[in-house]
Amino acid sequence: GENVEQHPSTLSVQEGDSAVIKCTYSDSASNYFPWYKQELGKRPQLIIDIRSNVGEKKDQRIAVTLNKTAKHFSLHITETQPEDSAVYFCAAIVDTGRRALTFGSGTRLQVQP
Amino acid sequence: GAGVSQSPSNKVTEKGKDVELRCDPISGHTALYWYRQSLGQGLEFLIYFQGNSAPDKSGLPSDRFSAERTGGSVSTLTIQRTQQEDSAVYLCASSITTGGTEAFFGQGTRLTVV
Repeated sequence: GENVEQHPSTLSVQEGDSAVIKCTYSDSASNYFPWYKQELGKRPQLIIDIRSNVGEKKDQRIAVTLNKTAKHFSLHITETQPEDSAVYFCAAIVDTGRRALTFGSGTRLQVQP
Repeated sequence: GAGVSQSPSNKVTEKGKDVELRCDPISGHTALYWYRQSLGQGLEFLIYFQGNSAPDKSGLPSDRFSAERTGGSVSTLTIQRTQQEDSAVYLCASSITTGGTEAFFGQGTRLTVV
């Protein structure tokens, strides 16, 4: 089955700096890669996703890059703000398979004002 | 309802008792997932339902755990003879179809076994 590794486990940045979180996956057939944000005490919510037919996707201050050859993908947050502080989870799945998302272990991002 | 609904929000139970956790997915969503999140940890897959197909139970940690989904909608996760290590937040999610579509999470049920 799929295995997703995520790092770092914790990340502290100054407000305005960029943050990068990286994930690797094991199943080369995986073709859908979402990122979820979980604020303290709340449910995970999708913030951005990417499919394997593109190498990069951007939504305002958030971007995701995918390297299928190396089987890794990354979340980039620019101009970080205190409200970006949360736990971020990457995930991977084969979208034609009857499978559930496999999540990484999470990254706790703290943005210092 | 507008989103995935789980009940109860919190459950405290004595070791050895059985518990049932309920999930109401978004109407029309054919895929339903259960995950477990221990304090400060990641999302551990438990079980997955897709339409009328047999569920993928590969994530269930022991035979004390079972789940069913009636009528392709509401799902119940049952934990028999609860143990202290079962204490966690149990999250349900649904998506419109399998795989590569957004999974919407419920608010979770925080289970505490004392």
